[in-house]
Amino acid sequence: GNSVTQMEGPVTLSEEAFLTINCTYTATGYPSLFWYVQYPGEGLQLLLKATKADDKGSNKGFEATYRKETTSFHLEKGSVQVSDSAVYFCALSANSGYALNFGKGTSLLVTP
Amino acid sequence: DTGVSQNPRHKITKRGQNVTFRCDPISEHNRLYWYRQTLGQGPEFLTYFQNEAQLEKSRLLSDRFSAERPKGSFSTLEIQRTEQGDSAMYLCASLGGADYGYTFGSGTRLTVV
Repeated sequence: GNSVTQMEGPVTLSEEAFLTINCTYTATGYPSLFWYVQYPGEGLQLLLKATKADDKGSNKGFEATYRKETTSFHLEKGSVQVSDSAVYFCALSANSGYALNFGKGTSLLVTP
Repeated sequence: DTGVSQNPRHKITKRGQNVTFRCDPISEHNRLYWYRQTLGQGPEFLTYFQNEAQLEKSRLLSDRFSAERPKGSFSTLEIQRTEQGDSAMYLCASLGGADYGYTFGSGTRLTVV
């Protein structure tokens, strides 16, 4: 079946550090890939997406590239801010109903 | 209000009782999804509707769970004879088209005691 594996947290970084959160997937066919973010006390928000191999999704300084050969979609940001502290979820959609399969989430804490 | 609204925000119930949650999606979105999220886990798909038709149900949706979306507007999720294992955050999301522009609600947190 379809599944997503992402690195376990919590991840603690100092402000302006480089961020990588690893995400790999297993899917039949050609899934679309997503990163969602959940800020404290708020609902899930789409951060970025990529719908085919080699696509790069980007938003708010975050980037992720759809790598079919390594079945990966790692999230990166060059310089994190305290306001980036949140839980990040990698997800895929591989069926016609567009339902999402999520990873377990990675908690990020950025300290001043 | 242009977001997805879920009520109630919190529900505490005794084991064996029935509970019902409501989701009001973005009005022009024709797809509505229910997910369940337990502590330390990502959301898990339960079911989805296209307009009023329930098109897919996960194996997680046991016989005690039922969802409806009358007239293709709001949706309700009912859990009968609740069990402690049903304690979770229940999330609703709506989708307007194939651009994956999901909008999630803030969820209903269920605690079964």
